[in-house]
Amino acid sequence: NAGVMQNPRHLVRRRGQEARLRCSPMKGHSHVYWYRQLPEEGLKFMVYLQKENIIDESGMPKERFSAEFPKEGPSILRIQQVVRGDSAAYFCASSPSGRAWEQYFGPGTRLTVT
Amino acid sequence: TQLLEQSPQFLSIQEGENLTVYCNSSSVFSSLQWYRQEPGEGPVLLVTVVTGGEVKKLKRLTFQFGDARKDSSLHITAAQPGDTGLYLCAGAQGGSEKLVFGKGTKLTVNP
Repeated sequence: NAGVMQNPRHLVRRRGQEARLRCSPMKGHSHVYWYRQLPEEGLKFMVYLQKENIIDESGMPKERFSAEFPKEGPSILRIQQVVRGDSAAYFCASSPSGRAWEQYFGPGTRLTVT
Repeated sequence: TQLLEQSPQFLSIQEGENLTVYCNSSSVFSSLQWYRQEPGEGPVLLVTVVTGGEVKKLKRLTFQFGDARKDSSLHITAAQPGDTGLYLCAGAQGGSEKLVFGKGTKLTVNP
């Protein structure tokens, strides 16, 4: 079974550009979560989605960040007008229905804003 | 304020030694997970514990969930260099699906 897939693995953007991070959950998983890991800090929850629905976005910054999980295709985390403080590792996780605590992580996307 | 405190922050030991790392909180968790993360990679799920007092074993690793479901420990017997990595605990509270993570224990096992 393929695990959680994320692409790109590394992304470099200049200040003001847009960043799009993609996540394909494990086969059979319908729940997707996005986390951010800043240098010297732990993983922080951002958003939880099911197909076509945002369930919990309490960890998302109010501006410039958005997430979607369409009926077809991967989940997308979109960061508009990136700033240097957005530089971090962004991880996607997925879980099977009914076992939300059992989250499996992808390899992450390392975003660098120059 | 960190909801889950992990200790020690760093641990360097020799191959063959035993070790225990801790994950503590003043809050109750409905489940607690342990992950291992290597540089440049995502966390890999090792175990989930859900019942107070629960003990789970995974080869040389023993995980325990506190009776009050506020803390957990990970014990490694006869550590090997392949055990080197960042060990993270994470917990879910109440009906929430989001995981709260500790900052981790960075373990180095020297040959």
